[in-house]
Amino acid sequence: LAKTTQPISMDSYEGQEVNITCSHNNIATNDYITWYQQFPSQGPRFIIQGYKTKVTNEVASLFIPADRKSSTLSLPRVSLSDTAVYYCLVGAAYTGGFKTIFGAGTRLFVKA
Amino acid sequence: GAVVSQHPSRVICKSGTSVKIECRSLDFQATTMFWYRQFPKQSLMLMATSNEGSKATYEQGVEKDKFLINHASLTLSTLTVTSAHPEDSSFYICSARDLGGRLDEQYFGPGTRLTVT
Repeated sequence: LAKTTQPISMDSYEGQEVNITCSHNNIATNDYITWYQQFPSQGPRFIIQGYKTKVTNEVASLFIPADRKSSTLSLPRVSLSDTAVYYCLVGAAYTGGFKTIFGAGTRLFVKA
Repeated sequence: GAVVSQHPSRVICKSGTSVKIECRSLDFQATTMFWYRQFPKQSLMLMATSNEGSKATYEQGVEKDKFLINHASLTLSTLTVTSAHPEDSSFYICSARDLGGRLDEQYFGPGTRLTVT
């Protein structure tokens, strides 16, 4: 399983764009990259998933370079409610042996 | 989106007793469910993978006789913490995979806070 490395914490202000980068140097050909958000005492919530290039949905964008050894989650115009822990995970989808292993995550604190 | 529920949301039990936690996929079928444990300020730790109709696969270091997992149907998995001790106090989270959609996402339950006194 590919190991991921993220910054332990980040601070930002309301209205700013936040970019959280994750390193996954040993990512395999079949691995997808998935980001989750977790608030205290709640289960993680799916944010976005991608394989290569750029993916965008209504809450975030995910940038993946050609070598796929890293990925960047971009949160546009964050608000106080975006204060949470963000996890980057890699794993092979659609295969029977897939299981999700969480890294340490990035604790984002958004200030007013 | 797909919803996973857990019951109870929080439970307090006495040392030595057993506690059962239920995990249900409400609007999709889940052949595979996962159980995690999370201590304060720490990440989620995968405990076991629960497969419908077969024995669960436990991660290294997780006692299968202490954490009994049953996945009897495509929408229900249960985790029973047997002979609970204070060190078992933690936040237990389940998740389920929905292979029917375009993305292979995992949907997480809201978690169960277990406190053993």
